[in-house]
Amino acid sequence: QKEVEQDPGPLSVPEGAIVSLNCTYSNSAFQYFMWYRQYSRKGPELLMYTYSSGNKEDGRFTAQVDKSSKYISLFIRDSQPSDSATYLCAMTSNTGGFKTIFGAGTRLFVKA
Amino acid sequence: DAGVTQSPTHLIKTRGQQVTLRCSPKSGHDTVSWYQQALGQGPQFIFQYYEEEERQRGNFPDRFSGHQFPNYSSELNVNALLLGDSALYLCASSLVEYGYTFGSGTRLTVV
Repeated sequence: QKEVEQDPGPLSVPEGAIVSLNCTYSNSAFQYFMWYRQYSRKGPELLMYTYSSGNKEDGRFTAQVDKSSKYISLFIRDSQPSDSATYLCAMTSNTGGFKTIFGAGTRLFVKA
Repeated sequence: DAGVTQSPTHLIKTRGQQVTLRCSPKSGHDTVSWYQQALGQGPQFIFQYYEEEERQRGNFPDRFSGHQFPNYSSELNVNALLLGDSALYLCASSLVEYGYTFGSGTRLTVV
């Protein structure tokens, strides 16, 4: 079993839709939870991070962490064609150093 | 403020050869991590350097080695290249435990 599981998609939605992206994990030592966006032929860029459980909102993006269920989510409201990219969840534990593990990424297509 | 700079951007090598990839971290960042990303996959952790020491290592063979210099820049070396080493190699720098800044990567093709 992988430490971090993420559905690779692809996920195709119409412009303006609410997008829900999810990851599950198995390592209860993870403390920091991040979402990265990666455009084709580019490196990932950090969208949001959350420490421990809870919600965090930034503009059209909302990140949720449920440590009891080992489940994290990213919601994108009013999705735009420019949101079309691969979204990677990532998690860091603070035991034995700070190694960040990434999910496989979900490819999102937002159709105009 | 320059972000993370990686060189070269593309590289073609023959099986059995050795390769060195280079990374300059974002100004102010002292930790450098290297990742391998195969096509359609998420980044896989290779190792992390802090204060010129390898602090963490992923499940990669000893053919993969690295170095961090006093100015925090870093190199990734891969010996005895295999076809399966073909991938995008990403360097990420950070100052805290989360929130990496990534470079655009080096695309390595082994033929």
